[in-house]
Amino acid sequence: KAGVTQTPRYLIKTRGQQVTLSCSPISGHRSVSWYQQTPGQGLQFLFEYFSETQRNKGNFPGRFSGRQFSNSRSEMNVSTLELGDSALYLCASSFEPGQGRYGYTFGSGTRLTVV
Amino acid sequence: AQSVTQLDSQVPVFEEAPVELRCNYSSSVSVYLFWYVQYPNQGLQLLLKYLSGSTLVESINGFEAEFNKSQTSFHLRKPSVHISDTAEYFCAVTLPSNTGKLIFGQGTTLQVKP
Repeated sequence: KAGVTQTPRYLIKTRGQQVTLSCSPISGHRSVSWYQQTPGQGLQFLFEYFSETQRNKGNFPGRFSGRQFSNSRSEMNVSTLELGDSALYLCASSFEPGQGRYGYTFGSGTRLTVV
Repeated sequence: AQSVTQLDSQVPVFEEAPVELRCNYSSSVSVYLFWYVQYPNQGLQLLLKYLSGSTLVESINGFEAEFNKSQTSFHLRKPSVHISDTAEYFCAVTLPSNTGKLIFGQGTTLQVKP
């Protein structure tokens, strides 16, 4: 079956602009989490969605937001982009929240470069 | 709060040699432990996980990790590495309380040389 699909794979934006990243989870998966990966800060949790509701949020400014649709697809939005937002953004999906029986499957990520 | 420390940022090793990637965690409550691998320009792949039970867990490609509660460690080992094992490896923890939040270490780059 198809894996977690993230679009686009690469993106270049200018400071001050906004950006929307998309994540389509594995069919049947209802939980989606987002992570930011940078060389300096490593992998940091952004937020988690389940059944269209945000269940958990990491320590990021309000410029970072997300949502989940009824088909479990998720989007994250970053407004007023800063140079420090340049990162690999990873999406992960699972049948249900939590890391127990099922674990999470990660997508290949969207590489965002802010210039 | 939980935290994860991967003690080596880079581990160079020759092909067919054994390797150990070290991971220590800090938590006042029980956690689930994971190792993920990331190949260049790809996302993370789950290598193995410890939830409960036997403290030694194995992956299908020859890696194993041992949970040591007294030393709060979850080191990853492989008795004989291949060139294809060259990648970045991440140790992570999460709480068993149905949260999707993984806390990752800074990663260890395994460089396998011929």
